Amino acid sequence: DSGVTQTPKHLITATGQRVTLRCSPRSGDLSVYWYQQSLDQGLQFLIQYYNGEERAKGNILERFSAQQFPDLHSELNLSSLELGDSALYFCASSVGGEIGTGELFFGEGSRLTVL
Amino acid sequence: DAKTTQPPSMDCAEGRAANLPCNHSTISGNEYVYWYRQIHSQGPQYIIHGLKNNETNEMASLIITEDRKSSTLILPHATLRDTAVYYCIVRVAREYGNKLVFGAGTILRVKS
Repeated sequence: DSGVTQTPKHLITATGQRVTLRCSPRSGDLSVYWYQQSLDQGLQFLIQYYNGEERAKGNILERFSAQQFPDLHSELNLSSLELGDSALYFCASSVGGEIGTGELFFGEGSRLTVL
Repeated sequence: DAKTTQPPSMDCAEGRAANLPCNHSTISGNEYVYWYRQIHSQGPQYIIHGLKNNETNEMASLIITEDRKSSTLILPHATLRDTAVYYCIVRVAREYGNKLVFGAGTILRVKS
């Protein structure tokens, strides 16, 4: 158990819909990362937040957005869903900032299926 | 971050040591070598990291060559549960705007 909690574990929805994935980081971790893993692709970095602020952006589509709240949990919002958005979405957390030594701890993921 | 090269797959007999190589010839002086693994569809799991000295923890050992251009992850007594994709990643430890970039990794198959 990494200490990172992701909900929901599974989600099935239709094209055009909007979903929200939630992540609770490990206690004390200030950084949250989101990754996408499709069947035929590796782990793709989407976005990073540190203590409520966006710190790094990867290949995140404009239809996707994220935020980190004052209690440090994070949400990834996916809208106008397409079949190709079906994937595993992982959240990771770490101590963060200048004092971090780089270890990320991943949750078990949210499996999104778009029909 | 420096690029890494790993073999696409490897086999290992159960109970034997698994030695997973990684080349990172363009590594910079302040970049660490990190190893993660992903067991089928689970979240990636941190294994170990190091800068220039060899490192050991309860999961594995990391051997980094003196010129730091390559490294080897050693699982001393591989079990069937070690079957996974292993990722070697090189990056500076500081985290501001410095995400982990995963490559294709090495698929390790441990066989009985």
